[in-house]
Amino acid sequence: QVQLVESGGGVVQPGRSLRLSCAAAGFTFRTYAMHWVRQAPGKGLEWVAIISYDGSDKYYADSVKGRFTISRDNSKNTLYLQMNSLKGEDTAVYSCARDIATSPYLSYAVDVWGQGTPVTVSS
Amino acid sequence: QSALTQPPSASGSPGQSVTISCTGTSSDVGVYKYVSWYQQHPGKAPKLMIYEVYKRPSGVPDRFSGSKSGNMASLTVSGLQTEDEADYYCSSYAGSNTVLFGGGTKLTVL
Repeated sequence: QVQLVESGGGVVQPGRSLRLSCAAAGFTFRTYAMHWVRQAPGKGLEWVAIISYDGSDKYYADSVKGRFTISRDNSKNTLYLQMNSLKGEDTAVYSCARDIATSPYLSYAVDVWGQGTPVTVSS
Repeated sequence: QSALTQPPSASGSPGQSVTISCTGTSSDVGVYKYVSWYQQHPGKAPKLMIYEVYKRPSGVPDRFSGSKSGNMASLTVSGLQTEDEADYYCSSYAGSNTVLFGGGTKLTVL
């Protein structure tokens, strides 16, 4: 079945780095743009980044621009989020999600979500 | 980039209709057709209920409908059922390939 499974979360000190992965299965990964979305404890959803179906275009929320890098390996059906210079306000559950539209289109709506991986930034 | 504005709470009785608003600006909701709504039950992943203002993904009941007027989008849930009790989030394309979410609305079915 269609699924996304994140991994790589954990506890990290401020200023350090962490790399999240998201394994996709059950659909043609290379034909969909992908998003990362996060949710801080007890808070709402916050969009983090998007990558085009072929990885050629990447865009970020202002809150993470210059610190986070989204990437993908279509040969491995895997999405990544490299997080550098982590701050306390980056503490959240990070979920990967699939855009509902197939390439080359975008709908900026996500119809498939992973269960999320928690990231805690604390000294 | 400021979050879209949603009321923190909404409520209705079973069978009634309730409408949740999502207010943006002329830089996001007001100019783009890419408004979405998500339902999130506690401890669960969000579920897409509406996309591109009014479209329903396969499997979403037609009790859920979306609309937009000016800088405000709305989600209407008709024939409220107990399982509709959840948090609801709107989102909108905000230009430059970025997305904004609303703060969320807790819907209570009385």
